[in-house]
Amino acid sequence: GAVVSQHPSWVICKSGTSVKIECRSLDFQATTMFWYRQFPKQSLMLMATSNEGSKATYEQGVEKDKFLINHASLTLSTLTVTSAHPEDSSFYICSASPPNRGAEQYFGPGTRLTVT
Amino acid sequence: GDSVTQMEGPVTLSEEAFLTINCTYTATGYPSLFWYVQYPGEGLQLLLKATKADDKGSNKGFEATYRKETTSFHLEKGSVQVSDSAVYFCALDGGSQGNLIFGKGTKLSVKP
Repeated sequence: GAVVSQHPSWVICKSGTSVKIECRSLDFQATTMFWYRQFPKQSLMLMATSNEGSKATYEQGVEKDKFLINHASLTLSTLTVTSAHPEDSSFYICSASPPNRGAEQYFGPGTRLTVT
Repeated sequence: GDSVTQMEGPVTLSEEAFLTINCTYTATGYPSLFWYVQYPGEGLQLLLKATKADDKGSNKGFEATYRKETTSFHLEKGSVQVSDSAVYFCALDGGSQGNLIFGKGTKLSVKP
């Protein structure tokens, strides 16, 4: 149980275009999902907390107009990287916490974004 | 703010060696503590957790004890295997939003 999927697993896009990444909780409902960014050989950096039915909460320094988050249902959150630039190339990871598990989170396999 | 500090890697061990990966934290109160593992090419997986002081989390031969006196949560395994090669992340419960605060990760390589 507690499986989280992400799609796509990797994507290459041209500079200036937008890319949407989906995060789904497959066997539980998640009122809150999290989006992280992982740089090579570094830790995960929390970008934003996605709340079902309300606006996402962004961490300091993360541009909310660039990284659009939508949590339209209890099993789906999307991250759209708008007007992507090469410096947005990274590994994006989502996670979700099943009900009554506190801060215990289950992670998606990640999406490798390369902007050319 | 709250933070997690892990020992720098990479750590290279021979099979059946003893493993310790140090983790210390700074936090207000007593947050839940976690170890996550990331195998090559895969997402993070919860390895073990502890929710209060003196709790010992264990899984797959790995153990970690929540020590509030030393604000530590060191990961140990008595005999590592090649299949344990991965990156290990220590994390703590960041608070009301349920987010996690991660250490920088420690890469472990186990040689046969």
